[in-house]
Amino acid sequence: NAGVMQNPRHLVRRRGQEARLRCSPMKGHSHVYWYRQLPEEGLKFMVYLQKENIIDESGMPKERFSAEFPKEGPSILRIQQVVRGDSAAYFCASSPPGAGETQYFGPGTRLLVL
Amino acid sequence: SQQGEEDPQALSIQEGENATMNCSYKTSINNLQWYRQNSGRGLVHLILIRSNEREKHSGRLRVTLDTSKKSSSLLITASRAADTASYFCATDSSWAQKLVFGQGTRLTINP
Repeated sequence: NAGVMQNPRHLVRRRGQEARLRCSPMKGHSHVYWYRQLPEEGLKFMVYLQKENIIDESGMPKERFSAEFPKEGPSILRIQQVVRGDSAAYFCASSPPGAGETQYFGPGTRLLVL
Repeated sequence: SQQGEEDPQALSIQEGENATMNCSYKTSINNLQWYRQNSGRGLVHLILIRSNEREKHSGRLRVTLDTSKKSSSLLITASRAADTASYFCATDSSWAQKLVFGQGTRLTINP
């Protein structure tokens, strides 16, 4: 049973470009979460999705950031018009249905904005 | 505001010694989880303790939870060089499944 997959592992973008980060949850997991980690800090929640639904986006910046988890395919975190402050590690986690289940994390995508 | 806060921020001990890390939180929780992160890598889930549990063991790990003090501790016994990593506590609540992480404790095991 493969773990949570994320790609790309590293992404370099110039200011103003778009960044697309992908996450495939573990088999049988229908809940996906995105977190951002700045250097030397803990993870900060961004968004929680179930298939075709955004459940909690309280941690998402109001502009330029969007997320989706379509019926088929991976979850996508999209950052438009990236700025240097977007440079961070972005982690995806998944969990099975039900409250209070363990979240399993992917290896992360490290975004560097030049 | 920060929900989980680990203490100490950094800890350096000799191989074979025990390492204790603490975590405090502010609001009511459903579960508290501990994760390990090696430098530049993803998070590895270590242990989950529910709000109605007081202590849990997994191999060399022992986690305690004191909901009256809103605190938890992670004990790693007989530490090994491979235990060198950052350790994070994370909490969730009955009304929100998102995890709230602390800043982490950077643990260094010296050979």
